[in-house]
Amino acid sequence: GENVEQHPSTLSVQEGDSAVIKCTYSDSASNYFPWYKQELGKRPQLIIDIRSNVGEKKDQRIAVTLNKTAKHFSLHITETQPEDSAVYFCAASTWNQFYFGTGTSLTVIP
Amino acid sequence: DAEITQSPRHKITETGRQVTLACHQTWNHNNMFWYRQDLGHGLRLIHYSYGVQDTNKGEVSDGYSVSRSNTEDLPLTLESAASSQTSVYFCASSEVTSGTQYFGPGTRLLVL
Repeated sequence: GENVEQHPSTLSVQEGDSAVIKCTYSDSASNYFPWYKQELGKRPQLIIDIRSNVGEKKDQRIAVTLNKTAKHFSLHITETQPEDSAVYFCAASTWNQFYFGTGTSLTVIP
Repeated sequence: DAEITQSPRHKITETGRQVTLACHQTWNHNNMFWYRQDLGHGLRLIHYSYGVQDTNKGEVSDGYSVSRSNTEDLPLTLESAASSQTSVYFCASSEVTSGTQYFGPGTRLLVL
């Protein structure tokens, strides 16, 4: 089955700096790659996603890039703010099944 | 507004007892999923369903079962609760076409 690895497990940045979280996947059949943000004690919330026919997608301060050849995708957050502090999960999906990474705990220091 | 709910939100039980966690969605999604979340493991798939009467095992299905008698509900049953099943459980649902999964608020289960 699919194996998704996510790095780093923890990340601290100064407010206003950029944050990058990277994920790799193993199954070339995976065709959908969502990113979820989970605040403490809350449910995971979708923040951005990308499909395999697209190389990059941007939504305001958040962007995701996908390299199908290398089987990796990344989340980029620019101009970070304290409210960006949370755990971020990547996932790879094929046939509607999600395989999640182990999460990155992002702390934005004011 | 359409939503996905879980009950109870918190549960304490003893080892060996049968426990059922409820999940209800009003989006009319065909796909429903159960995950458990543990520190260091992220979200791991327990069971999933692609429609009424359809159920499938995920990567950590031992000790759990589900049934799908209608589109809205996918209850998760722990046949004989074990301490290793102490976790936070999330239900999710998705449309077949988009695949985007939406999560419920979670159930925190403690097995003593």
